[in-house]
Amino acid sequence: AQSVTQLGSHVSVSEGALVLLRCNYSSSVPPYLFWYVQYPNQGLQLLLKYTTGATLVKGINGFEAEFKKSETSFHLTKPSAHMSDAAEYFCAVSESDSWGKLQFGAGTQVVVTP
Amino acid sequence: EAQVTQNPRYLITVTGKKLTVTCSQNMNHEYMSWYRQDPGLGLRQIYYSMNVEVTDKGDVPEGYKVSRKEKRNFPLILESPSPNQTSLYFCASSKAGGSTDTQYFGPGTRLTVL
Repeated sequence: AQSVTQLGSHVSVSEGALVLLRCNYSSSVPPYLFWYVQYPNQGLQLLLKYTTGATLVKGINGFEAEFKKSETSFHLTKPSAHMSDAAEYFCAVSESDSWGKLQFGAGTQVVVTP
Repeated sequence: EAQVTQNPRYLITVTGKKLTVTCSQNMNHEYMSWYRQDPGLGLRQIYYSMNVEVTDKGDVPEGYKVSRKEKRNFPLILESPSPNQTSLYFCASSKAGGSTDTQYFGPGTRLTVL
């Protein structure tokens, strides 16, 4: 069975500073990993995903994440925060035998201060 | 425009009064799913459907029903709503429901059961 842990339910960053959101997973088979973003009063939108191949994955809006199997992590980063990055971010995992079932983390709320 | 739509967006009802939340997608996706989002818990899968007339339980199916009579529609039915079903509900769809597929989310339905 898979599970996801997101460290920090709330993160505050200054505009222009590094954004780092932590995600650790557990999975009994090779995982597929996703980061979704939820803007206020909207549905979830895919930021990026790791399936196979290159472990550094680039997504939309300048975000990237690195799959580290040895650390069972998939942390999300952005070099320079923008006010528009204020949102809730969810890490999710699916397994090759789970056929479409996503297991979500609890989410991290990002606040960007001027 | 490719999208997943949900109706209603907001609903306040009373305990025991049957309700249906509709979900429709225009992307010819085979896989559809319902999630509920609660603070601190992330999103949890309620039911999913691999194709027309094929549905199965997710992690929290109690108190919910679904049907998939047409490919584009996947309504969520609460036969006798209770206050613990107060939540934010999301419908999602993907091409084939594979573990690497991107799921596309609707805008959400905020349900309050009094």
